[in-house]
Amino acid sequence: AQKITQTQPGMFVQEKEAVTLDCTYDTSDQSYGLFWYKQPSSGEMIFLIYQGSYDEQNATEGRYSLNFQKARKSANLVISASQLGDSAMYFCAMRDNFQGAQKLVFGQGTRLTINP
Amino acid sequence: DADVTQTPRNRITKTGKRIMLECSQTKGHDRMYWYRQDPGLGLRLIYYSFDVKDINKGEISDGYSVSRQAQAKFSLSLESAIPNQTALYFCATSDGSQRGNQPQHFGDGTRLSIL
Repeated sequence: AQKITQTQPGMFVQEKEAVTLDCTYDTSDQSYGLFWYKQPSSGEMIFLIYQGSYDEQNATEGRYSLNFQKARKSANLVISASQLGDSAMYFCAMRDNFQGAQKLVFGQGTRLTINP
Repeated sequence: DADVTQTPRNRITKTGKRIMLECSQTKGHDRMYWYRQDPGLGLRLIYYSFDVKDINKGEISDGYSVSRQAQAKFSLSLESAIPNQTALYFCATSDGSQRGNQPQHFGDGTRLSIL
């Protein structure tokens, strides 16, 4: 089974600074993908970015980028020029082939607070 | 408009009541999922469906049932609600026709409280 570990329960960052949220994973699959989701206090779960295990380049989506280090099994999310609206829970996830369901397995999350 | 719409957004009800949570999507995805989120437990899969005629139990299906009325609609029912079903419920969709790892797209969630 897949396992995701996020070791930072909470992070506090000044507005406009860059922030890195850590994610390590464990899998025996050769082909896999990693996802990051944002959950604001209002509760919705927003897909941010995806990294495939065979992608040659690190994924980027606007201010979001992934620092993917396959040998270390880490997929850290980097948010550049943080904004107040970035305050939220952030979850790293990967797909687990549970009885063919391909459900998502999430880490425990990191609560990011952006200070003005 | 949201691509994945859940109704209601919030619901408070009493033990023993029957409750239906609805999910509709305009993304054209074939796969739909129901999860619940509890503090400290993450998201757990309740039911999933790959097609209108293909419905499967997830990790924690006891006490729940589902109906896939159309490709775009997937509803979750609590036949006789109990307090430990109090949670945040998410519907999610993904595109099974695409190769590779496709993300799941979530609705805004339904906060359900059972008194």
